[in-house]
Amino acid sequence: QSALTQPASVSGSPGQSITISCTGTSSDVGSYNLVSWYQQHPGKAPKLMIYEVSKRPSGVSNRFSGSKSGNTASLTISGLQAEDEADYYCCSYAGSSLFGGGTKLTVL
Amino acid sequence: EVQLVQSGAEVKKPGESLKISCKGSGYSFTSYWIGWVRQMPGKGLEWMGIIYPGDSDTRYSPSFQGQVTISADKSISTAYLQWSSLKASDTAMYYCARRIQLWSPLDYWGQGTLVTVSS
Repeated sequence: QSALTQPASVSGSPGQSITISCTGTSSDVGSYNLVSWYQQHPGKAPKLMIYEVSKRPSGVSNRFSGSKSGNTASLTISGLQAEDEADYYCCSYAGSSLFGGGTKLTVL
Repeated sequence: EVQLVQSGAEVKKPGESLKISCKGSGYSFTSYWIGWVRQMPGKGLEWMGIIYPGDSDTRYSPSFQGQVTISADKSISTAYLQWSSLKASDTAMYYCARRIQLWSPLDYWGQGTLVTVSS
């Protein structure tokens, strides 16, 4: 199994919206609605932001949303804030867990 | 409050053995899977494997099968990740995290254990 494909970096200005893509195959992302997204600030443990493609855990801002089309899942962050600057990882179930390579979000 | 507390940072030499731990509290330890994730310096997250402390059912990622051993002691609500012979390439941060089903999200994470292997 190869890692899911994410852009290495994305950026946006405060208040704007950004979208991070996560591309897999018909054997992982395309087969299951079991994509999750994790936020990781420098030196910190990852934090669950989205699960089952589009569900938000309690306490996660509704500025974060997820979707999926075919073999590609997406994380959208609206109303960008400075605190959103972090690395973001997608993860899909495929008999086991498969992570994306991670995307560094810079808030300009 | 759900917590996963990992053991402290380790500095080891190549060829040495090591066992790091992850202690769960605030929930039924035997009802959730505990997974392990590697993060090499400046790199992304890699799935290593997972254990169900209730019956010690263990699954390994093909990349880590035979390289590490995952175990658990449910009597003390603790999961372990161990190496019999460390290599410099094992230098990384290791996280434990829990999930209720094999396909569920990793909803709580430990703080991480930094393992440094250097001669």
